[in-house]
Amino acid sequence: QKEVEQNSGPLSVPEGAIASLNCTYSDRVSQSFFWYRQYSGKSPELIMSIYSNGDKEDGRFTAQLNKASQYVSLLIRDSQPSDSATYLCAPYRETGFQKLVFGTGTRLLVSP
Amino acid sequence: EPEVTQTPSHQVTQMGQEVILRCVPISNHLYFYWYRQILGQKVEFLVSFYNNEISEKSEIFDDQFSVERPDGSNFTLKIRSTKLEDSAMYFCASSPGTSVRNEQFFGPGTRLTVL
Repeated sequence: QKEVEQNSGPLSVPEGAIASLNCTYSDRVSQSFFWYRQYSGKSPELIMSIYSNGDKEDGRFTAQLNKASQYVSLLIRDSQPSDSATYLCAPYRETGFQKLVFGTGTRLLVSP
Repeated sequence: EPEVTQTPSHQVTQMGQEVILRCVPISNHLYFYWYRQILGQKVEFLVSFYNNEISEKSEIFDDQFSVERPDGSNFTLKIRSTKLEDSAMYFCASSPGTSVRNEQFFGPGTRLTVL
């Protein structure tokens, strides 16, 4: 079982729609979950962090976490062409390891 | 807003040569990391560094790799004898500490090309 699984996409949505990105993880000890956005040829940029079960909203972004199901998602409302990028999910646990383990990411394409 | 910086942005070297990639982490951060991303592949962890010593390293980080914090601001990754397969983007990251909210912030990366 892969540590982090994401649908590689591309996920194509029209401008103004909601984009839904999903991620499952295998490490039950993970406590924090980070969503990074990576434009082609650029470095990962942290856009959302979530630590507790439920929803966390920040502007057009909503992260949802369900630790029992080992599932985390990112919703992007009112998607813009500038949101077109690869979105990386990274679980993190405090004890023992500090590394982030990334999945392959989901490529999002927002068409005008 | 403070940010992680990296130099150079692009390094071209011959196979077998030594390279040093440099990073300046965010000033009040305590943990420093190196990751790499081979073209078209996922971001992979190489090493983490805390309190002037390696705290964790991956299988990729073999004897050809070393890290150092030579002064109070720089953090370096050295590859002693580069191989073709070392060609990748190398990202430095830093984070404030080991709490649950240990958000890691990435620098812009150094593109290493080994010929």
